Amino acid sequence: KQEVTQIPAALSVPEGENLVLNCSFTDSAIYNLQWFRQDPGKGLTSLLLIQSSQREQTSGRLNASLDKSSGRSTLYIAASQPGDSATYLCAHSGGGADGLTFGKGTHLIIQP
Amino acid sequence: ETGVTQTPRHLVMGMTNKKSLKCEQHLGHNAMYWYKQSAKKPLELMFVYNFKEQTENNSVPSRFSPECPNSSHLFLHLHTLQPEDSALYLCASSQVGGATYGYTFGSGTRLTVV
Repeated sequence: KQEVTQIPAALSVPEGENLVLNCSFTDSAIYNLQWFRQDPGKGLTSLLLIQSSQREQTSGRLNASLDKSSGRSTLYIAASQPGDSATYLCAHSGGGADGLTFGKGTHLIIQP
Repeated sequence: ETGVTQTPRHLVMGMTNKKSLKCEQHLGHNAMYWYKQSAKKPLELMFVYNFKEQTENNSVPSRFSPECPNSSHLFLHLHTLQPEDSALYLCASSQVGGATYGYTFGSGTRLTVV
């Protein structure tokens, strides 16, 4: 059974800090990996998509890396802000219409 | 309208009721999905429709019945649900073969079974 593990499960830091959220997966044949943000009671907002042939993607203060050989991805958030408070989810797909396999997420709180 | 739209946003139903959740995508994608999100658990894939054909049913109880009349619309028909079915139900779409686009999710329907 494919598994996705996200560490830490929860994180609370003062604003301005740089953060690293970790994601590990057991499926070495992933097609792509996607990071999402989820606000309480809301749907998922896609942050970054990394294809299996890529090593990293960047969007603004966010940078996601992918190391397929070790089964790991990281999401780096620079200069965190209170508006970054949310749950961050990592998920991968095997290509085709097979859906995404999700981790349980990292609940992030940025203190003003 | 853009993206993936789900209605209703909230639904409270009794165990003997019949209701339906609706999802519509405006992205031109050819695959649609239903996910269930319960507290303390990862999102669970329920159903997959690829070009309107159901290609996956992850051992979901028959009290959940999906319908995909075309590649833009997806329904989840609910009947005789149990309290443990209370959860956030999320719809998603993707373009099969479109590795650069990933999956797009709707805002979800918060379902409470009483």
